Amino acid sequence: AQKVTQAQTEISVVEKEDVTLDCVYETRDTTYYLFWYKQPPSGELVFLIRRNSFDEQNEISGRYSWNFQKSTSSFNFTITASQVVDSAVYFCALSEAVNNAGKSTFGDGTTLTVKP
Amino acid sequence: GAVVSQHPSWVICKSGTSVKIECRSLDFQATTMFWYRQFPKQSLMLMATSNEGSKATYEQGVEKDKFLINHASLTLSTLTVTSAHPEDSSFYICSASRWNQPQHFGDGTRLSIL
Repeated sequence: AQKVTQAQTEISVVEKEDVTLDCVYETRDTTYYLFWYKQPPSGELVFLIRRNSFDEQNEISGRYSWNFQKSTSSFNFTITASQVVDSAVYFCALSEAVNNAGKSTFGDGTTLTVKP
Repeated sequence: GAVVSQHPSWVICKSGTSVKIECRSLDFQATTMFWYRQFPKQSLMLMATSNEGSKATYEQGVEKDKFLINHASLTLSTLTVTSAHPEDSSFYICSASRWNQPQHFGDGTRLSIL
């Protein structure tokens, strides 16, 4: 069975601070995908990143960066110099890569509040 | 990128009525569509998986007769909440994928039952 744990339920920071959202996963699959999504108050899921389990390179996209550590089954997400517009719920998700790549298991989400 | 359209985005109806939600993949043929439900301040919970032309596979605890899913074509799946009651009020999100590619999400439907 797959499981995704986002231990931080809520995080509050002041604008321009850096913030890291943690994600730990469990799976028996050797090949899998990891995702991060942003869900603003309007409700839609905004895709941020997809990582294949074979690719452990960290990635940076503007103010966003992701640290994939297969040894600790973690896929943490860091926002540098946070902004008020970053306030949202962030979900980490996991899916198989072979048989059911479209079916994802989601963490419980982390609510990020960035105060001006 | 791939686009999934979900309609309606918001619906309010009286208790006892049935509500149909559509999910369309606009620029690709979706072999599989998924339906999720999200209660306030909670995560997305998978309700069912539907493959084109076959019966949907429901997750444990989801009533098949309550949530009817039809996936008649490679671009359209519908979720019908039958005889809806206030406890069915939720945010419903569909997603679509092609073969074993990761899914693309619709923008969701807020359902409020009075």
